[in-house]
Amino acid sequence: DAKTTQPNSMESNEEEPVHLPCNHSTISGTDYIHWYRQLPSQGPEYVIHGLTSNVNNRMASLAIAEDRKSSTLILHRATLRDAAVYYCILITSGSRLTFGEGTQLTVNP
Amino acid sequence: EAGVAQSPRYKIIEKRQSVAFWCNPISGHATLYWYQQILGQGPKLLIQFQNNGVVDDSQLPKDRFSAERLKGVDSTLKIQPAKLEDSAVYLCASSLRSRNNPTDTQYFGPGTRLTVL
Repeated sequence: DAKTTQPNSMESNEEEPVHLPCNHSTISGTDYIHWYRQLPSQGPEYVIHGLTSNVNNRMASLAIAEDRKSSTLILHRATLRDAAVYYCILITSGSRLTFGEGTQLTVNP
Repeated sequence: EAGVAQSPRYKIIEKRQSVAFWCNPISGHATLYWYQQILGQGPKLLIQFQNNGVVDDSQLPKDRFSAERLKGVDSTLKIQPAKLEDSAVYLCASSLRSRNNPTDTQYFGPGTRLTVL
């Protein structure tokens, strides 16, 4: 499975945008980029996914570099409820969801 | 829409005892997954079912762990006998299709926190 690299932790202030980076230099052409997050004492939840183009949904935006070797999850206005571990995962047909250690996001009031 | 249900939420046992966890996936979801999450790490897939058949159990310690999904709906995961290193959160997830569709979304339950003393 192709690997991803994320910072161990990041901090943000409430109501400010947050940009969470993910490097995936060995990504293949069939790998989709998925983001999940895990709030304290809960199971992971799906955030967003994309292949080549930038994607937006009600939770976040996903910006994918032109060469697809990196991506950025964007939370437009962080709230205290966004404090979680964010996982960037590459998935292709037939592959399992393989979680790394993710980025622990702290949101300061 | 009801989410993935798991029980119990917490379980404390002594080593060498047995324990079972139950999962009820989202209605209509064909695929069910069991994950193990050790403190400070991301979840690790233990077993995946497609309907009531096993698709992937390559990371399941089969000498002590077993799982079944009768009738393709509910599932149970059993550990017998438990070891200290089995202390973890056991997460159940379900998805509508399968991992052969790389856009498929997994929906996770709240997990069962197991402590082995």
